[in-house]
Amino acid sequence: GAVVSQHPSWVICKSGTSVKIECRSLDFQATTMFWYRQFPKQSLMLMATSNEGSKATYEQGVEKDKFLINHASLTLSTLTVTSAHPEDSSFYICSARDPRGNNEKLFFGSGTQLSVL
Amino acid sequence: RKEVEQDPGPFNVPEGATVAFNCTYSNSASQSFFWYRQDCRKEPKLLMSVYSSGNEDGRFTAQLNRASQYISLLIRDSKLSDSATYLCVVNMGKLIFGQGTELSVKP
Repeated sequence: GAVVSQHPSWVICKSGTSVKIECRSLDFQATTMFWYRQFPKQSLMLMATSNEGSKATYEQGVEKDKFLINHASLTLSTLTVTSAHPEDSSFYICSARDPRGNNEKLFFGSGTQLSVL
Repeated sequence: RKEVEQDPGPFNVPEGATVAFNCTYSNSASQSFFWYRQDCRKEPKLLMSVYSSGNEDGRFTAQLNRASQYISLLIRDSKLSDSATYLCVVNMGKLIFGQGTELSVKP
């Protein structure tokens, strides 16, 4: 099946630093990738839709200057949490649809646990 | 009202029990429906899609009632390995996740 790779799996950083998370589709080309955030005991919340070669579409309430998304190729999208603060500590997950099969199914990366001290 | 709402849980059941999860959604124009399973600190994994006619996969049965905007998941003969959080997911043009229902199966 389709595989989506996400890196790193966990990050611990000091407040004020920036953190970059990578999401790769390993065996298919993804023109669109999705970034979610999940706080403990809560649902996955869609943050933004990453579009290859164009600007990302952000959900209401998500700061585009805070969460920078770059989708420079058909297999790679990155999310950069700029000037991270403790309230940004969360589980971040990317996902993509494999266009070759049923286009409704999402394949998820393994997630990145971000802890900001 | 939340767009996708699930039973709050947690559900603590003994091995072999039958357990049912419910989910309601707000948008009657929703296109497709899914149940995902998520283990702690891991990515969600698709358990099954949900069709109007109902569908079954081994011990798991999913039902959809469009008139009532209601989805259910039934797990029969529960196993210890079924312990996880079950997420109801609705495609409303974009995928909207419920908050999840935690299941704990005890020996």
